[in-house]
Amino acid sequence: ETGVTQTPRHLVMGMTNKKSLKCEQHLGHNAMYWYKQSAKKPLELMFVYSLEERVENNSVPSRFSPECPNSSHLFLHLHTLQPEDSALYLCASSQDSRDTIYFGEGSWLTVV
Amino acid sequence: GQQLNQSPQSMFIQEGEDVSMNCTSSSIFNTWLWYKQDPGEGPVLLIALYKAGELTSNGRLTAQFGITRKDSFLNISASIPSDVGIYFCAGLTNSGYALNFGKGTSLLVTP
Repeated sequence: ETGVTQTPRHLVMGMTNKKSLKCEQHLGHNAMYWYKQSAKKPLELMFVYSLEERVENNSVPSRFSPECPNSSHLFLHLHTLQPEDSALYLCASSQDSRDTIYFGEGSWLTVV
Repeated sequence: GQQLNQSPQSMFIQEGEDVSMNCTSSSIFNTWLWYKQDPGEGPVLLIALYKAGELTSNGRLTAQFGITRKDSFLNISASIPSDVGIYFCAGLTNSGYALNFGKGTSLLVTP
């Protein structure tokens, strides 16, 4: 139990579907992150939120839309994804941005 | 972000052997971290290093923050089958909002 909880753990969706990934942290941290991990590729930072404000967006396609309603919750809204978007999506949090981060267990996404 | 060069890419060893892996960068880092990822799970923090020259242990794991602040090492002594997984180094520079990650070292341990 890392204090960062992701749901669902597994998701299969069609290319025309709209779905969301949810992340909740119970650590009292101020920063939250979305990372993408594809097979045989390094971890890719997608978004960084600090105090509910997006501070980094690493050229992520608009079909991925993050939302941070408060410092404990982070969502990743998914719309019209492509099969190559299939990956493990990892949420993480840290006390502040630029601090040691703690990962959730990940959400496995398969786009068919 | 800054690129971290992690090596070796993979290791296949026998139980009881010691393991050593490292991470280097062309940039100076202020923080070095080592994570382990089991199949199907998120990375778990093993050791955090915040000071050049720092040597920190966590059970059979020992990591060092290089003096030049451009590298870090992780050693695992007397490996056991549950050490299997992917080990990632990560670092933080003066710029940017988040950690930079290496590509990982995949460790396989045979009984």
